[in-house]
Amino acid sequence: DAGVIQSPRHEVTEMGQEVTLRCKPISGHDYLFWYRQTMMRGLELLIYFNNNVPIDDSGMPEDRFSAKMPNASFSTLKIQPSEPRDSAVYFCASSPGLAGTYEQYFGPGTRLTVT
Amino acid sequence: AQSVTQLDSQVPVFEEAPVELRCNYSSSVSVYLFWYVQYPNQGLQLLLKYLSGSTLVKGINGFEAEFNKSQTSFHLRKPSVHISDTAEYFCAVSNAGKSTFGDGTTLTVKP
Repeated sequence: DAGVIQSPRHEVTEMGQEVTLRCKPISGHDYLFWYRQTMMRGLELLIYFNNNVPIDDSGMPEDRFSAKMPNASFSTLKIQPSEPRDSAVYFCASSPGLAGTYEQYFGPGTRLTVT
Repeated sequence: AQSVTQLDSQVPVFEEAPVELRCNYSSSVSVYLFWYVQYPNQGLQLLLKYLSGSTLVKGINGFEAEFNKSQTSFHLRKPSVHISDTAEYFCAVSNAGKSTFGDGTTLTVKP
């Protein structure tokens, strides 16, 4: 099992540009989570899906952020337009849900730098 | 609603000494409890979990944690730490899918 796969691992972009982060969860997992981690704010849950359906997006900072999960094996987090304050490490995690008692498996993260 | 409080933001300790990282939680329903570890420039990894049954759970790398329902605590312990245990440790509670994480405790093991 390859674990949770995220791409790209590093992204440097200029303010105002669109950024798309990608995630492939572990096969068979019912839940997918997007987190943001910064020194100032720690680990923040942005949004999570259950069976490809968004359940809670209350952590999404503002309308510039959007997330989709078109199928069970792929999700994207998009920022448009990006701003310097969006610079952070973005993690995707998946979970087997009740079958696995909700433990989460994290990807390696995408380090985003917006200049 | 559920919440997690990690009582120490930083814990420095010498190599081969014992360590305890403290975690208190609150929840109106039964929850599952977890400890995760994050090494520099990596994602979080599951260290151990409490589901039910024995209140003492053992995890990877020689760590263990004890669930105390009356004190709503889930403290993490290791009898003898190594330099390689230097990392950030997160306590988390979960109910029906979503997990709530603590703010993390940075464990620094000194030679």
